[in-house]
Amino acid sequence: KNEVEQSPQNLTAQEGEFITINCSYSVGISALHWLQQHPGGGIVSLFMLSSGKKKHGRLIATINIQEKHSSLHITASHPRDSAVYICAVMRYSGGGADGLTFGKGTHLIIQP
Amino acid sequence: DAGITQSPRHKVTETGTPVTLRCHQTENHRYMYWYRQDPGHGLRLIHYSYGVKDTDKGEVSDGYSVSRSKTEDFLLTLESATSSQTSVYFCAISARDRGEEEQFFGPGTRLTVL
Repeated sequence: KNEVEQSPQNLTAQEGEFITINCSYSVGISALHWLQQHPGGGIVSLFMLSSGKKKHGRLIATINIQEKHSSLHITASHPRDSAVYICAVMRYSGGGADGLTFGKGTHLIIQP
Repeated sequence: DAGITQSPRHKVTETGTPVTLRCHQTENHRYMYWYRQDPGHGLRLIHYSYGVKDTDKGEVSDGYSVSRSKTEDFLLTLESATSSQTSVYFCAISARDRGEEEQFFGPGTRLTVL
């Protein structure tokens, strides 16, 4: 079983729809990251969460540490939101920074 | 982008040849990472560094070595490239040494081993 599971793997929606991508993890973490990758492009950090909720424009990310679950929401989705969204966790390692463990990504397509 | 560059950006090489990929950062962050990205596997950690001459293995380190002789440069070497090492390689840095968990990624290097 992967330590970081994302769902759905693929999602196609119409412009304007409310989008939710889920991430569950099975290890102790110090932080959870949501990343965005456009086709053929680089990787951009959207959010880093250690508790609660963060909002940036139309994007909202939440985390429930007790349930080991995080969600990324996109309100009023737009075709430019089409990308792969990747959940990644930084394991708790007593002060070190041992690198991220990644989910396999959610491929989102927003149709006009 | 935290001033991260990777070189080369694209490389085609033959099986058995040595290959070195370079990651360069301009902001003196302590923590640096090499990841590879493959269809069906996603991103996986190869090696990481927590300071000059301080490195450690990640999840998929077999066939790779790294060196960090200066804060700003982190080199990934494939001693004898194999076709299974065809991948996109990303370097990243962590701002953890400044009290932040955010990670910044380089633009990636697409490596093809024939």
